[in-house]
Amino acid sequence: QVQLQESGPGLVKPSETLSLTCTVSGGSITSYYWSWIRQAPGKGLEWIGYIYHSGSTKYNPSLKSRVTISVDTSKNQFSLNLRSVTAADTAMYFCARDGFSYELDYWGPGTLVTVSS
Amino acid sequence: EIVLTQSPGTLSLSPGERATLSCRASQSVGRSYFAWYQQKPGQAPRLLIYGASSRATGIPDRFSGSGSGTDFTLTITRLEPEDFAVYYCQQFGTSRTFGQGTKVEIK
Repeated sequence: QVQLQESGPGLVKPSETLSLTCTVSGGSITSYYWSWIRQAPGKGLEWIGYIYHSGSTKYNPSLKSRVTISVDTSKNQFSLNLRSVTAADTAMYFCARDGFSYELDYWGPGTLVTVSS
Repeated sequence: EIVLTQSPGTLSLSPGERATLSCRASQSVGRSYFAWYQQKPGQAPRLLIYGASSRATGIPDRFSGSGSGTDFTLTITRLEPEDFAVYYCQQFGTSRTFGQGTKVEIK
């Protein structure tokens, strides 16, 4: 059974960089796309971007200028960096696997990141 | 960017009733590229439907998806107490976007 787990600081200061890692267990990170999604408190889901195990990426146009997603296949992990954060970036951040049939079939439990000084 | 608009925003129903949730896309989306999720408070979303009408593993057959082009529907034939939650649609056709969600609440 594939499991995903987000990790990283729960508090980030404004203008700094938010960095999160998703560790995949129970399966290989190869042969799939891997996504980051976020959800502001009381709001809906926002797709941030995805990465393929080869390193190719695609990002939400609204966040593209500030986002980098990377992958470390040796550790079965992929990561999110979001630069120049503001309070509007406060959210629950989820990582998820893109299945073979265009669906997000496995999700991590999420990690809450608060942007505050 | 394809915008997905879900309606209604909130659906107030009783257990045993039928729920019909709508998702309209701003431009045509291939059926293969359309999914539905359920989210309960404090939990990650759970995949219900992919390919517009295929149920994910372990999803009861009271959940069904239909539609094509710009109009998609999620139907729950008889609401069980555990079905009261927020439901999101998602398209994978051009980039990826989610609808804003429909909350199914107990009447």
